[in-house]
Amino acid sequence: DSGVTQTPKHLITATGQRVTLRCSPRSGDLSVYWYQQSLDQGLQFLIQYYNGEERAKGNILERFSAQQFPDLHSELNLSSLELGDSALYFCASSGTARQIEAFFGQGTRLTVV
Amino acid sequence: AQSVTQLDSHVSVSEGTPVLLRCNYSSSYSPSLFWYVQHPNKGLQLLLKYTSAATLVKGINGFEAEFKKSETSFHLTKPSAHMSDAAEYFCVVSDWGSGGGADGLTFGKGTHLIIQP
Repeated sequence: DSGVTQTPKHLITATGQRVTLRCSPRSGDLSVYWYQQSLDQGLQFLIQYYNGEERAKGNILERFSAQQFPDLHSELNLSSLELGDSALYFCASSGTARQIEAFFGQGTRLTVV
Repeated sequence: AQSVTQLDSHVSVSEGTPVLLRCNYSSSYSPSLFWYVQHPNKGLQLLLKYTSAATLVKGINGFEAEFKKSETSFHLTKPSAHMSDAAEYFCVVSDWGSGGGADGLTFGKGTHLIIQP
């Protein structure tokens, strides 16, 4: 158990809808990272928050957004969903702003139908 | 920019024989390198990391990897495979901490390790 908690584990929704994925980092970790894992693109870095502020941005679509709250949990919002957004979304956390030795949650599997 | 190439999408070995998973990287800076493992329906677990200290890195479950700068390689090895090693393995590079761009962790496409009884 990495100590990173993601909810829900599974999510099925229709195209055009909006969903929110939630992540609770390990106790004391200030950084939260979001990754997307799909069959065609592999694992891709989406975005990082550090102590409530956006720190680094990767291949995140404009339809997607994230935030980190004062209690350090984070939410990833996906809107205007398309079939191609179906993927496993991972959250990771680490104690520093550097992207080293991040601890990963078990992921949220999103299926868009 | 950084990139990772895992040279084999699938590797099949017999239980008790050595494992070799190959990884080449590209980085404009002095990179940090990692191997992560993903068991079916599980999250990603860190096996080992290289961050510019000893070039031979030992990890969990008997795995080790050697950083070879001249060959830009970071191959993962284990002397004797166990059935529980069957999983997806990812080679990962990061140069964020050494002054590189904010590219996050860059993952390889993964190598599916199959253990034959």
